Amino acid sequence: AQSVTQPDARVTVSEGASLQLRCKYSYSATPYLFWYVQYPRQGLQLLLKYYSGDPVVQGVNGFEAEFSKSNSSFHLRKASVHWSDSAVYFCAVRPNTGGADRLTFGKGTQLIIQP
Amino acid sequence: EAAVTQSPRSKVAVTGGKVTLSCHQTNNHDYMYWYRQDTGHGLRLIHYSYVADSTEKGDIPDGYKASRPSQENFSLILELASLSQTAVYFCASSRDRGGTGQLYFGEGSKLTVL
Repeated sequence: AQSVTQPDARVTVSEGASLQLRCKYSYSATPYLFWYVQYPRQGLQLLLKYYSGDPVVQGVNGFEAEFSKSNSSFHLRKASVHWSDSAVYFCAVRPNTGGADRLTFGKGTQLIIQP
Repeated sequence: EAAVTQSPRSKVAVTGGKVTLSCHQTNNHDYMYWYRQDTGHGLRLIHYSYVADSTEKGDIPDGYKASRPSQENFSLILELASLSQTAVYFCASSRDRGGTGQLYFGEGSKLTVL
């Protein structure tokens, strides 16, 4: 079975600074990988996804993530954060087989932006 | 207009009572899911369905039933609610077989069992 580890429950960053949120996964093959974001009192929204190919994928609002097979990681980055980026970020994996999107989510990282 | 809507958005239930959470989607998606979110646990899959009148168990199905009477509607049923089922529940949909992993979530239903 697959699993996802987000080692940081909370990350605090100053507005305008760069950001990295860490994600490590465990799966026997290369899964599909995702980052979702949850704003207060809302459901989750897809930020970006990786299926194959270029290990760096671009998402919405200037976010990008880099897949590393050797490290089993899929870290999320942003060059310059804005106060509106304050949210909870979830990394998720899905086996690259089967029809149902049975995602396994990490526990989430709360991002706090300081003025 | 929201494509996945849940009701109720918030509910207080008594231990041992029956709770039904409803979900309606207008995405024309085949797959629908129920997840629960607990602080410190992320989201965990309870049940899912890929066609009307059929449901499948997810990772934590115990204590829950699901019903998919039509493509658009998917309900989660707690026959005997317990304190441990206090959580926020999310419904989601995704498109057809060969899925991409992109789930479309509702805004959540906060359930408190007393």
